[in-house]
Amino acid sequence: EVQLVESGGGLVQPGGSLRLSCAASGFTFSSYWMSWVRQAPGKGLEWVANIKQDGSERQYVNSVEGRFTISRDNAKNSVYLQMNSLRAEDTAVYYCARLVYGSGGLDYWGQGTLVIVSS
Amino acid sequence: SYEVTQPLSLSVALGQTARITCGGNNIGSKNVHWYQQKPGQAPVVVIYRDTNRPSGIPERFSGSNSGNMATLTISRAQDGDEADYYCQMWDSSTVIFGGGTKLTVL
Repeated sequence: EVQLVESGGGLVQPGGSLRLSCAASGFTFSSYWMSWVRQAPGKGLEWVANIKQDGSERQYVNSVEGRFTISRDNAKNSVYLQMNSLRAEDTAVYYCARLVYGSGGLDYWGQGTLVIVSS
Repeated sequence: SYEVTQPLSLSVALGQTARITCGGNNIGSKNVHWYQQKPGQAPVVVIYRDTNRPSGIPERFSGSNSGNMATLTISRAQDGDEADYYCQMWDSSTVIFGGGTKLTVL
């Protein structure tokens, strides 16, 4: 059974940093692109970042470029999102999801982790 | 960047058919995926690659995609179908979401 479990969310002050983790199981992690998607309270889904199987390609939404870094450790079956210079507008539930490259669909999602940026 | 448009909300009577649209320039040339999200839960795929239904998704859910419009059709709508629905596609190595449609079953 495919499982994605996020952790690392919490309350952080504006300008602060946080590192999210997503532990994957039930599939060959190193064979898949992975993504982070967020959802601000009461808002829609917003894609944040993608990373290729070997980490050699990464893409980001413009609003987080230069502040967030997606990475992965295939030996630990985990993907990460390092978030720096956090702003109030980064407040959201952050989901990791498995990306099916080619069709571009997100076929499995974690349960999400809440990040609140507030003083 | 590529943009798509969904209606903010849609109401359907119990047992009737709901059609949720996702409009975009030549969207018919892209693979469109649909997600259902209920309050407090993660999104779940209900249709992938325009017309395909994952195992466990009722046959009442179907999809189509042609020209400038993709459509998610929910036949014989049930109370449990009340949720937010998002279309999604891949464009220039990025993931694009529609704004979401809130489906209310009356």
